[in-house]
Amino acid sequence: AQSVTQLGSHVSVSEGALVLLRCNYSSSVPPYLFWYVQYPNQGLQLLLKYTTGATLVKGINGFEAEFKKSETSFHLTKPSAHMSDAAEYFCAVAAGGYQKVTFGIGTKLQVIP
Amino acid sequence: DTAVSQTPKYLVTQMGNDKSIKCEQNLGHDTMYWYKQDSKKFLKIMFSYNNKELIINETVPNRFSPKSPDKAHLNLHINSLELGDSAVYFCASSQGGSSHEQYFGPGTRLTVT
Repeated sequence: AQSVTQLGSHVSVSEGALVLLRCNYSSSVPPYLFWYVQYPNQGLQLLLKYTTGATLVKGINGFEAEFKKSETSFHLTKPSAHMSDAAEYFCAVAAGGYQKVTFGIGTKLQVIP
Repeated sequence: DTAVSQTPKYLVTQMGNDKSIKCEQNLGHDTMYWYKQDSKKFLKIMFSYNNKELIINETVPNRFSPKSPDKAHLNLHINSLELGDSAVYFCASSQGGSSHEQYFGPGTRLTVT
């Protein structure tokens, strides 16, 4: 079984401030972890993914995430928020076969000018 | 070229009607999915096909029936539509094997009145 918990359904940051979106996962086998972004009225787009190897993963648009096995976490960060980062962000986990990916409930990021 | 496309983008219909949503991917992927996203942005997997074979069938009413004529297409037919079926339906595809990275279509917003 696998699951994802995203802490905070809404996060507000000022433009230029650090973005931190929290994700914890549960998996009985080594997981693959993902962050997706959804802009209004669009589909989901992959930001970054962790499979194996380096635990600090860099993605598009300046985002990065660190896989911490001891904390079962995969938090998403960006040093400086832009207005264009305002969107819904989904953490997801896949473990085992058959391609089943479980998504978190999403975190809506608001960027304040 | 659009990687994963869905038609129609918007669908407004009355209770009791039957409707279909079509999905096509030109990425050469082996696996395709249907997700339902409710008004709170929660994303729930409905079905998954791998090379035209059904591999994931979550707890979904029998009124929903997926059909995959070939591995590039996955359609969703819904019988006897109900108010609770109103949502955004996303199609997605992935390479298969050990790759769980999914590519999403733009979504179909279904409104049942």
